[in-house]
Amino acid sequence: AQSVTQLGSHVSVSEGALVLLRCNYSSSVPPYLFWYVQYPNQGLQLLLKYTSAATLVKGINGFEAEFKKSETSFHLTKPSAHMSDAAEYFCAVSFTGTASKLTFGTGTRLQVTL
Amino acid sequence: EPEVTQTPSHQVTQMGQEVILRCVPISNHLYFYWYRQILGQKVEFLVSFYNNEISEKSEIFDDQFSVERPDGSNFTLKIRSTKLEDSAMYFCASSGTTTYNEQFFGPGTRLTVL
Repeated sequence: AQSVTQLGSHVSVSEGALVLLRCNYSSSVPPYLFWYVQYPNQGLQLLLKYTSAATLVKGINGFEAEFKKSETSFHLTKPSAHMSDAAEYFCAVSFTGTASKLTFGTGTRLQVTL
Repeated sequence: EPEVTQTPSHQVTQMGQEVILRCVPISNHLYFYWYRQILGQKVEFLVSFYNNEISEKSEIFDDQFSVERPDGSNFTLKIRSTKLEDSAMYFCASSGTTTYNEQFFGPGTRLTVL
Protein backbone atom coordinates (compact mmCIF):
# COMPACT_ATOMS: atom_id res chain seq x y z
CA ALA A 1 0.00 0.00 0.00
CA GLN A 2 1.12 3.54 -0.56
CA SER A 3 0.29 6.72 1.31
CA VAL A 4 1.35 10.32 1.63
CA THR A 5 1.39 12.56 4.67
CA GLN A 6 1.57 16.31 4.34
CA LEU A 7 2.45 18.08 7.57
CA GLY A 8 0.67 21.39 7.96
CA SER A 9 -2.66 22.02 6.32
CA HIS A 10 -1.91 25.75 6.22
CA VAL A 11 1.43 27.49 5.77
CA SER A 12 1.86 31.24 5.75
CA VAL A 13 5.02 32.98 4.55
CA SER A 14 5.98 36.53 3.74
CA GLU A 15 6.68 37.52 0.18
CA GLY A 16 10.34 36.86 -0.51
CA ALA A 17 10.68 34.28 2.25
CA LEU A 18 11.56 30.62 1.85
CA VAL A 19 8.72 28.25 1.11
CA LEU A 20 8.92 24.76 2.64
CA LEU A 21 6.04 22.34 2.25
CA ARG A 22 6.53 18.92 3.79
CA CYS A 23 5.65 15.56 2.35
CA ASN A 24 6.44 12.10 3.66
CA TYR A 25 5.51 8.97 1.80
CA SER A 26 5.04 5.32 2.47
CA SER A 27 5.52 2.82 -0.31
CA SER A 28 6.47 -0.84 -0.37
CA VAL A 29 8.24 -0.42 -3.71
CA PRO A 30 10.30 2.42 -5.19
CA PRO A 31 7.82 5.21 -5.76
CA TYR A 32 7.17 7.90 -8.25
CA LEU A 33 6.47 11.16 -6.41
CA PHE A 34 4.72 14.29 -7.61
CA TRP A 35 3.78 17.74 -6.46
CA TYR A 36 0.65 19.29 -7.93
CA VAL A 37 -0.65 22.82 -7.43
CA GLN A 38 -4.29 23.85 -7.46
CA TYR A 39 -5.18 27.50 -7.83
CA PRO A 40 -8.65 28.60 -6.71
CA ASN A 41 -11.41 27.13 -8.85
CA GLN A 42 -8.94 25.44 -11.14
CA GLY A 43 -7.69 21.92 -11.80
CA LEU A 44 -4.45 20.29 -10.77
CA GLN A 45 -1.23 21.38 -12.43
CA LEU A 46 1.94 19.32 -12.21
CA LEU A 47 4.77 21.23 -10.54
CA LEU A 48 7.42 18.52 -10.62
CA LYS A 49 7.99 14.80 -10.47
CA TYR A 50 10.55 12.34 -9.09
CA THR A 51 11.13 9.30 -11.24
CA SER A 52 14.44 7.99 -9.82
CA ALA A 53 16.64 9.83 -12.32
CA ALA A 54 17.89 12.47 -9.88
CA THR A 55 17.14 13.10 -6.23
CA LEU A 56 16.91 16.88 -6.61
CA VAL A 57 14.10 17.72 -8.95
CA LYS A 58 13.43 21.15 -10.39
CA GLY A 59 9.97 22.13 -11.48
CA ILE A 60 8.05 25.06 -12.81
CA ASN A 61 7.76 28.48 -11.19
CA GLY A 62 11.07 28.13 -9.31
CA PHE A 63 9.99 25.18 -7.16
CA GLU A 64 12.18 22.20 -6.42
CA ALA A 65 11.99 19.08 -4.28
CA GLU A 66 14.51 16.64 -2.94
CA PHE A 67 13.88 12.93 -2.65
CA LYS A 68 15.40 11.53 0.54
CA LYS A 69 14.95 7.80 0.75
CA SER A 70 16.38 7.54 4.26
CA GLU A 71 13.77 10.00 5.51
CA THR A 72 11.00 8.87 3.11
CA SER A 73 10.49 12.52 2.33
CA PHE A 74 9.89 14.67 -0.73
CA HIS A 75 9.65 18.22 0.60
CA LEU A 76 8.84 21.08 -1.76
CA THR A 77 10.85 24.30 -1.54
CA LYS A 78 11.12 27.67 -3.21
CA PRO A 79 13.80 30.17 -2.17
CA SER A 80 11.64 33.26 -2.46
CA ALA A 81 7.85 33.27 -2.27
CA HIS A 82 5.75 35.37 -4.60
CA MET A 83 2.18 36.46 -4.11
CA SER A 84 1.18 34.38 -7.11
CA ASP A 85 2.34 31.21 -5.29
CA ALA A 86 -0.72 31.33 -3.04
CA ALA A 87 -2.55 28.08 -3.78
CA GLU A 88 -3.18 24.55 -2.52
CA TYR A 89 -0.31 22.13 -2.96
CA PHE A 90 -0.73 18.38 -3.12
CA CYS A 91 1.93 15.73 -2.82
CA ALA A 92 1.14 12.44 -4.55
CA VAL A 93 2.71 9.02 -4.87
CA SER A 94 2.30 6.21 -7.33
CA PHE A 95 3.91 2.89 -7.92
CA THR A 96 6.43 2.75 -10.71
CA GLY A 97 5.05 1.57 -13.98
CA THR A 98 2.43 2.83 -16.30
CA ALA A 99 -1.10 3.79 -15.37
CA SER A 100 -0.69 3.42 -11.66
CA LYS A 101 -3.18 5.45 -9.63
CA LEU A 102 -2.03 8.55 -7.80
CA THR A 103 -2.51 8.62 -4.05
CA PHE A 104 -2.71 12.18 -2.81
CA GLY A 105 -1.94 13.81 0.48
CA THR A 106 -4.47 16.05 2.20
CA GLY A 107 -2.91 19.18 0.75
CA THR A 108 -1.25 22.29 2.15
CA ARG A 109 -2.73 25.71 1.59
CA LEU A 110 0.04 28.26 1.08
CA GLN A 111 -0.69 31.84 2.01
CA VAL A 112 1.76 34.57 0.98
CA THR A 113 1.59 37.88 2.81
CA LEU A 114 3.16 41.24 2.10
CA GLU B 1 -0.07 22.87 -25.54
CA PRO B 2 -2.48 19.91 -25.45
CA GLU B 3 -4.78 19.76 -22.47
CA VAL B 4 -7.54 17.69 -20.92
CA THR B 5 -10.97 19.27 -21.16
CA GLN B 6 -14.11 18.52 -19.17
CA THR B 7 -17.77 19.39 -19.57
CA PRO B 8 -19.82 20.71 -17.98
CA SER B 9 -17.89 22.85 -15.54
CA HIS B 10 -20.78 22.72 -13.07
CA GLN B 11 -23.67 20.27 -12.91
CA VAL B 12 -26.58 20.53 -10.53
CA THR B 13 -28.89 17.53 -10.21
CA GLN B 14 -31.57 16.10 -8.00
CA MET B 15 -30.86 13.12 -5.80
CA GLY B 16 -31.63 9.88 -7.64
CA GLN B 17 -31.00 11.31 -11.08
CA GLU B 18 -28.40 10.02 -13.51
CA VAL B 19 -25.51 12.25 -14.52
CA ILE B 20 -22.84 11.87 -17.16
CA LEU B 21 -19.60 13.77 -16.83
CA ARG B 22 -17.58 14.16 -19.98
CA CYS B 23 -13.87 14.42 -20.60
CA VAL B 24 -11.69 14.75 -23.66
CA PRO B 25 -8.22 13.41 -22.80
CA ILE B 26 -5.04 14.45 -24.55
CA SER B 27 -5.23 12.94 -27.99
CA ASN B 28 -2.25 10.56 -27.97
CA HIS B 29 -2.76 9.35 -24.41
CA LEU B 30 -3.91 5.82 -23.75
CA TYR B 31 -4.61 5.76 -20.02
CA PHE B 32 -7.53 7.58 -18.47
CA TYR B 33 -8.57 8.25 -14.92
CA TRP B 34 -11.29 9.74 -12.80
CA TYR B 35 -10.66 11.29 -9.40
CA ARG B 36 -12.93 13.19 -7.08
CA GLN B 37 -12.42 15.83 -4.43
CA ILE B 38 -15.12 16.39 -1.85
CA LEU B 39 -15.06 19.99 -0.67
CA GLY B 40 -12.24 20.53 1.78
CA GLN B 41 -10.87 17.01 1.42
CA LYS B 42 -8.10 15.38 -0.54
CA VAL B 43 -8.24 14.17 -4.10
CA GLU B 44 -9.31 10.51 -4.26
CA PHE B 45 -8.81 7.98 -7.03
CA LEU B 46 -11.95 6.46 -8.52
CA VAL B 47 -10.98 4.44 -11.57
CA SER B 48 -8.39 3.94 -14.28
CA PHE B 49 -9.14 2.80 -17.82
CA TYR B 50 -7.02 1.34 -20.58
CA ASN B 51 -7.73 -0.48 -23.80
CA ASN B 52 -11.47 -0.14 -23.32
CA GLU B 53 -11.60 -1.72 -19.93
CA ILE B 54 -11.17 -0.79 -16.30
CA SER B 55 -7.61 -1.31 -15.06
CA GLU B 56 -8.21 -0.51 -11.43
CA LYS B 57 -11.01 0.90 -9.30
CA SER B 58 -11.33 2.07 -5.74
CA GLU B 59 -13.90 1.02 -3.18
CA ILE B 60 -15.71 4.29 -3.90
CA PHE B 61 -16.37 3.13 -7.46
CA ASP B 62 -19.37 0.91 -6.76
CA ASP B 63 -22.14 -0.32 -9.05
CA GLN B 64 -23.60 3.17 -9.28
CA PHE B 65 -20.57 4.30 -11.27
CA SER B 66 -19.53 3.36 -14.77
CA VAL B 67 -17.03 4.62 -17.31
CA GLU B 68 -17.01 4.48 -21.05
CA ARG B 69 -15.00 5.59 -24.01
CA PRO B 70 -17.83 5.88 -26.53
CA ASP B 71 -15.66 7.12 -29.37
CA GLY B 72 -12.05 7.94 -30.09
CA SER B 73 -11.98 11.15 -28.12
CA ASN B 74 -14.43 11.19 -25.22
CA PHE B 75 -14.18 9.49 -21.84
CA THR B 76 -17.27 9.57 -19.63
CA LEU B 77 -18.18 8.92 -16.03
CA LYS B 78 -21.79 7.99 -15.34
CA ILE B 79 -23.43 8.01 -11.95
CA ARG B 80 -26.70 6.11 -12.23
CA SER B 81 -28.58 7.33 -9.18
CA THR B 82 -26.89 10.24 -7.51
CA LYS B 83 -26.71 10.61 -3.75
CA LEU B 84 -26.08 13.72 -1.69
CA GLU B 85 -22.62 12.41 -0.85
CA ASP B 86 -21.69 12.31 -4.53
CA SER B 87 -21.44 16.10 -4.45
CA ALA B 88 -17.80 16.79 -5.25
CA MET B 89 -15.38 18.07 -7.86
CA TYR B 90 -14.67 15.33 -10.38
CA PHE B 91 -11.36 15.42 -12.22
CA CYS B 92 -10.49 13.54 -15.35
CA ALA B 93 -6.83 12.80 -16.09
CA SER B 94 -4.87 11.09 -18.82
CA SER B 95 -1.35 9.79 -19.27
CA GLY B 96 0.83 8.42 -22.02
CA THR B 97 3.08 5.40 -22.05
CA THR B 98 6.46 7.05 -21.62
CA THR B 99 5.86 9.82 -19.11
CA TYR B 100 6.54 8.00 -15.84
CA ASN B 101 2.87 8.01 -15.06
CA GLU B 102 2.70 11.76 -15.27
CA GLN B 103 -1.01 12.41 -15.28
CA PHE B 104 -2.48 15.51 -16.82
CA PHE B 105 -5.64 16.77 -15.16
CA GLY B 106 -8.64 18.57 -16.55
CA PRO B 107 -10.18 21.59 -14.85
CA GLY B 108 -12.86 19.48 -13.18
CA THR B 109 -16.65 19.29 -13.06
CA ARG B 110 -18.31 20.46 -9.90
CA LEU B 111 -21.27 18.17 -9.22
CA THR B 112 -23.91 19.38 -6.79
CA VAL B 113 -26.59 16.91 -5.75
CA LEU B 114 -29.68 18.45 -4.14
